[in-house]
Amino acid sequence: DAKTTQPPSMDCAEGRAANLPCNHSTISGNEYVYWYRQIHSQGPQYIIHGLKNNETNEMASLIITEDRKSSTLILPHATLRDTAVYYCIVRVADAGNMLTFGGGTRLMVKP
Amino acid sequence: GAVVSQHPSWVICKSGTSVKIECRSLDFQATTMFWYRQFPKQSLMLMATSNEGSKATYEQGVEKDKFLINHASLTLSTLTVTSAHPEDSSFYICSARDSRGNQPQHFGDGTRLSIL
Repeated sequence: DAKTTQPPSMDCAEGRAANLPCNHSTISGNEYVYWYRQIHSQGPQYIIHGLKNNETNEMASLIITEDRKSSTLILPHATLRDTAVYYCIVRVADAGNMLTFGGGTRLMVKP
Repeated sequence: GAVVSQHPSWVICKSGTSVKIECRSLDFQATTMFWYRQFPKQSLMLMATSNEGSKATYEQGVEKDKFLINHASLTLSTLTVTSAHPEDSSFYICSARDSRGNQPQHFGDGTRLSIL
């Protein structure tokens, strides 16, 4: 799986958009970008994933650059409950492979 | 959406006790489940891959005789920490993925194990 690089921490004001970057310059053509988050003392929660097109669901938007070497997770209106560690993971979307977690970005949403 | 249930959520027990943790996929079948361990302020580390109907695959440095894994059905995997000691105290998390189609993995809420 390709390695990812994320800033260790970020702050965001409540109600504002939170933009979390991820670099994955060695990504392969068949690797997807997955985002998970982990709220304190809970298991990771799936947020969104994509291959090359931008994706949006009820939780977030995922913007992937045209060269696919980086992506941004956008939480459009951050709330205090969005405070968590956010993990960007790149891997092939096939059956059975485990996820490899890096350090992630600790997002602190402040009132 | 897919739900993974993990039980118990919190265990406190004496040193030398064996502890069993269950991981269930509630609305999908999972031929493969994963067990992770997370120490304070660290990221998740894969311990083993649980395969339905066959032996689990353990990561380097994880003792298979200490961490017994049983994946007897398509919806249940168990992790038993045998003769637990204080250094086994950690946050144990399982994950599973719907075997059908291109589905993401989903995680249980974790089990916090404290060995006294």
